[in-house]
Amino acid sequence: EILMTQSPATLSVSPGERATLSCRASQSVSNNLAWYQQKPGHVPRLLIYRASDRSTGIPARFSGSGSGTEFTLTISSLQSEDFAVYYCQQYNNWPWTFGQGTKVEIK
Amino acid sequence: EEQLVESGGDLVQPGGSLRLSCAASGFTISHHYINWVRQAPGKELEWVSLMYGDGTTYYIDSVRGRFTLSRSTSENTLYLQMNSLRAEDTAVYYCGSGYGFLLTWGQGTPVTVSS
Repeated sequence: EILMTQSPATLSVSPGERATLSCRASQSVSNNLAWYQQKPGHVPRLLIYRASDRSTGIPARFSGSGSGTEFTLTISSLQSEDFAVYYCQQYNNWPWTFGQGTKVEIK
Repeated sequence: EEQLVESGGDLVQPGGSLRLSCAASGFTISHHYINWVRQAPGKELEWVSLMYGDGTTYYIDSVRGRFTLSRSTSENTLYLQMNSLRAEDTAVYYCGSGYGFLLTWGQGTPVTVSS
């Protein structure tokens, strides 16, 4: 099973600032990597798939990069609605696995 | 519009059984990959199982042999039969469509395993 490790666990950011979230895979997952956003009490929402492709309706301030074992989700200018937990997930090898999440909170 | 609606979650004793349903609208489940993902209280997401359009199924190790996927094409519904439930199966169970990543999610159904 591929272990996905996200860092940091919590990221404190002021509105308008840039946020950079990291995700590391225990072995290569090629570019088979997705990012989700989840707000408390809500269903996860797909942001990014194939490491860098934005899902339908996702604002351009969200971008993904990386391949192999190292991946990054960047939120270029945080809006109030972006404060949430973000999960990375690999789908290169079954079982698909998620990271433990990064909570982006208001500084 | 593609939609998924889960049902069947409940409080059940350890060793008990439940059957969750995932009803689809706006698309045909036999033409899609349908997944179950769960989230224990305050925890991260965990992929549980996957059914291909051709009926092939996959399960994570911790549920294999206890959980079984099936579907009804007439009802356009996927089922997750959960037997020999354990406390660690307590979670909100989501169904979602897609191969590898999930664009469409249901609202989730809670399962609590406790005496």
